[in-house]
Amino acid sequence: NAGVTQTPKFQVLKTGQSMTLQCAQDMNHNSMYWYRQDPGMGLRLIYYSASEGTTDKGEVPNGYNVSRLNKREFSLRLESAAPSQTSVYFCASSESSGNTIYFGEGSWLTVV
Amino acid sequence: QKEVEQNSGPLSVPEGAIASLNCTYSDRGSQSFFWYRQYSGKSPELIMFIYSNGDKEDGRFTAQLNKASQYVSLLIRDSQPSDSATYLCAVEVGGYSTLTFGKGTMLLVSP
Repeated sequence: NAGVTQTPKFQVLKTGQSMTLQCAQDMNHNSMYWYRQDPGMGLRLIYYSASEGTTDKGEVPNGYNVSRLNKREFSLRLESAAPSQTSVYFCASSESSGNTIYFGEGSWLTVV
Repeated sequence: QKEVEQNSGPLSVPEGAIASLNCTYSDRGSQSFFWYRQYSGKSPELIMFIYSNGDKEDGRFTAQLNKASQYVSLLIRDSQPSDSATYLCAVEVGGYSTLTFGKGTMLLVSP
């Protein structure tokens, strides 16, 4: 029972490089989310997709783009990585917006 | 600005004691409330949710909600060292459709 799967788990990037974090869920959930978690800042919403075909900005969207590829998959792209984007990224999903959120295991990203 | 406030802790309790974790929120339109537990280096996992005023019990955990005071709490009875973690309060505001998380309270249960 995989739940929410995100890759890669660890990544080191150089400033200016681009990368995509992949996320897939097998719970047939409608809503998907990307959060970042930084020490002392808690979990902050980057982008979310309330349903397939829609995406919306969260609290901290600058420097990121997302794609809801299909109902299962929701990717997060950093076009030009900056040291300020060093963080732990969590993908999550829920049956619908506002319901219980289930998290993936996290992706540790370091930008040097 | 939707805010969820928690004391960062750490809250230290001896094994077997009751741990009380508190959370306040700013938006009176909030409809649903969640408590997550996060172990160091791991992802948050749901403990409980509560929608209505009053208490909701699940095993050793009790969530308490007071919408008039904009306050939600989590009580952990018979605390165990394995309960040592950071506890995150999350609030959903009706119409906003996502959860806003507090910064979490670290709980330390000593043997």
